Amino acid sequence: NAGVTQTPKFQVLKTGQSMTLQCAQDMNHNSMYWYRQDPGMGLRLIYYSASEGTTDKGEVPNGYNVSRLNKREFSLRLESAAPSQTSVYFCASISEETYEQYFGPGTRLTVT
Amino acid sequence: EDQVTQSPEALRLQEGESSSLNCSYTVSGLRGLFWYRQDPGKGPEFLFTLYSAGEEKEKERLKATLTKKESFLHITAPKPEDSATYLCAVINAGNNRKLIWGLGTSLAVNP
Repeated sequence: NAGVTQTPKFQVLKTGQSMTLQCAQDMNHNSMYWYRQDPGMGLRLIYYSASEGTTDKGEVPNGYNVSRLNKREFSLRLESAAPSQTSVYFCASISEETYEQYFGPGTRLTVT
Repeated sequence: EDQVTQSPEALRLQEGESSSLNCSYTVSGLRGLFWYRQDPGKGPEFLFTLYSAGEEKEKERLKATLTKKESFLHITAPKPEDSATYLCAVINAGNNRKLIWGLGTSLAVNP
């Protein structure tokens, strides 16, 4: 039982490059989330998916796209990376019974 | 507007020196309040859920309590390994899919 896994752990991009962050959970949760965490800003919700086939915008969706591939997997795509997207990205899933969220280990992204 | 405020922003304690962290919230119908611990370079790790005023939960040196407008995380006789950032979040009855997060309290426990 791995919980929530994310790849890659670290990534450096040049401005304008694209990449996809991968996330998978094995807890059979319906809802999954992507956050970014910046110093002094706390955790900010980028997108979430309440169930397979649905996605919704969070607080800071601009510059990102998401895909809920199946119940287990939820990916985050940066189409044209900008220095403002330098951050630590966390994927999470939530238990519908207890509302407890479980997080992956994070991806540290630097855009130069 | 739903909001979570944590205080203090940072706290430095000596080993064995007990203290409390505060999480004040305003939310339209509390469904649950959560405490997480985050170590540097890692994702937040779930600690406690509190669902109603008066509820208390304990785990080792940590005890979480809840009133109608705030929660406290009491740390009794802390050890250096308790050093971390502690995050508080709430979920409201109207939207049980999105958590509202505080900015956290950074705790350092000196040996």
